[in-house]
Parts: sequence; C-alpha cells; structure tokens
Amino acid sequence: DIVMTQSPDSLAVSLGERATINCKSSQSVLYSSNNKNNLGWYQQKPGQPPKLLIYWASTRESGVPDRFSGSGSGTDFTLTISSLQAEDVAVYYCQQYYSTPYTFGQGTKLEIK
Amino acid sequence: EVQLVESGGGLVQPGGSLRLSCAASGFTFSNHWMHWVRQAPGKGLVWVSRINSDGISTNDADSVKGRFTISRDNAKNTLYLQMNSLRAEDTAVYYCASTYLRPFDLWGRGTLVTVSS
Repeated sequence: DIVMTQSPDSLAVSLGERATINCKSSQSVLYSSNNKNNLGWYQQKPGQPPKLLIYWASTRESGVPDRFSGSGSGTDFTLTISSLQAEDVAVYYCQQYYSTPYTFGQGTKLEIK
Repeated sequence: EVQLVESGGGLVQPGGSLRLSCAASGFTFSNHWMHWVRQAPGKGLVWVSRINSDGISTNDADSVKGRFTISRDNAKNTLYLQMNSLRAEDTAVYYCASTYLRPFDLWGRGTLVTVSS
C-alpha cells in the first residue's frame, strides 16, 4: 500500500499570511504514460463531506479560489494557500489515486493564529 | 442538480449486517466509477471500496475484504455497500464518491453507521 504522510499535523497562520501543507507518498504516484501525478487535495469543514480543491497534483478545481495552489511531483507535494482567509479554517487531506487502496494522508488541521 | 445521497445507516450490533445505498442524480450514473470512503468519529478519511462503471470490477480495502461487498444497479442509478460481520471499528460516516468530471470530485453528505451493543 502507498502510505501518505502529511506535515504538519496542525498549523496556525495569521489572516492574510501564507499556509503551506506538505504531503509525501511512500512511492511515486506519477503515471509515466500520461505524465500525471495521481494526487488530490481536499478541504473538509466540520459536519461536511470533503471538497475537492486540487486534482492531478496541481490543477485547481472549478470554483476554487486562486489563492489555493498545488505543486510537486513523484513523491513530494505541497498545498499552498497564498493569503489565508477566515473561511479556510478546515482540515486538509491529500490522497493518492495511483493504485488501490486509494490512501489518504492523516489530515492537517488549519487554524487562525 | 448533480448529487449523491446516501442512506441506510443506523445502529447495529457487532456481528450484524447493514446495506448502505447511494442514489445518484443529475448525471449518467452508468458512465462513472464509484467509491465508498469512511470516516470514524474525529478521525481521518479512509477509502473502502470502488466499482467500475459496469459493475464487473471491484476493489476493497484489506480491512473490509470478505465482509463488505460493493455493487451497483445502473438501471436504478444506485450504488450499494453490503456490510456483514460488522465490528465496532466499522463505526463511521460512510460517504459515496464519484469520479464525475475529475477524480473524487463528487461526494454525498454521508450516512452514519454505529456498531455497538
């Protein structure tokens, strides 16, 4: 199984400041046939289902504010929120869909400092 | 409106069975792979099972293999999860999810399964 490890487990950032969440996979999630990283980022607020933010590691989902961006390739990935807003308080998860089981990271809780 | 709506959750005793349903609407259900993902109270997301568009191919997490069965009825636009030999550690909110336009871009609101005596 591919193990997904996020860091940090929790993060407190001031409003308007940058937030960075890292995700590392135990093996590459890059499909060489199409050069796509099979990695997604999700935001989950209390009592709500996860919401897709980023797919293929760096493509922003429609309707997601452009302050959210994803980067990385192979085994190391980053979700960046360029200017934190109050509504961004949530738990963030990365997930690989390269091979089953489609494992998630343990989650990063983002709060306002 | 494109949506997924889960149902069938509830309280069940250890060793019991339950069948979850996920009703799809607003899109051509039969064209899309479907998944179940669960989340124990206060814990993270765990992928459970997937099924291909015609229902022929399935994959399960080791933790549920031999106990849970994913299936679908494309004529009824419905995904199922048959859960047998339930354990306390199966207590969770169960979400159905779809690769609608992007991988895992469509999620239901979930249904709570509680396994307790």
